[in-house]
Amino acid sequence: GAVVSQHPSWVICKSGTSVKIECRSLDFQATTMFWYRQFPKQSLMLMATSNEGSKATYEQGVEKDKFLINHASLTLSTLTVTSAHPEDSSFYICSARRAGGPYNEQFFGPGTRLTVL
Amino acid sequence: QKEVEQNSGPLSVPEGAIASLNCTYSDRGSQSFFWYRQYSGKSPELIMSIYSNGDKEDGRFTAQLNKASQYVSLLIRDSQPSDSATYLCAVNPGGGADGLTFGKGTHLIIQP
Repeated sequence: GAVVSQHPSWVICKSGTSVKIECRSLDFQATTMFWYRQFPKQSLMLMATSNEGSKATYEQGVEKDKFLINHASLTLSTLTVTSAHPEDSSFYICSARRAGGPYNEQFFGPGTRLTVL
Repeated sequence: QKEVEQNSGPLSVPEGAIASLNCTYSDRGSQSFFWYRQYSGKSPELIMSIYSNGDKEDGRFTAQLNKASQYVSLLIRDSQPSDSATYLCAVNPGGGADGLTFGKGTHLIIQP
């Protein structure tokens, strides 16, 4: 159990376009999902926390108008990178916390590698 | 600023030996602690979680927590080449915060 999927696994886009990434919990309900970003040889940085049916909470320094998060159901959260630029190229990883699960265990999706040309 | 510190390595361990990975954290109020394994180009995989002082064992893995010293460690017994990866220590600060703060990870190499 505790499988999280992401789609797409990789995407290449032109500067100025928008990219949507989906995160799904496949075999459990996730009250909370998280979006992280990881640059090469660096650790994961939390971008935002997404609770089903409410607005996302963004970490300091993360532009909420640029990184739009929607958590419409207990199994799906989406991250849209709007007007992407080369500096947004990164590995985007979502995680989900299982409803009723103990102590904030988070299970990660396989990640989406975004390259902006 | 809440920080999680790890030695970046690389830590080189012979096959069959015990690998010892260490992590310290700055927020004394932290409630839960996790070790994730991350292979190059892949996302993290949860391998251990620990919430109380002491040891927690799961197969070849043992997590150790000492809240007084703000220290958490991971031991890997009978190390295998497939254990070669980056090990990330993650801390949840509690107090209503949901997200995890990650260390930069320790790169572990198991030498055949």
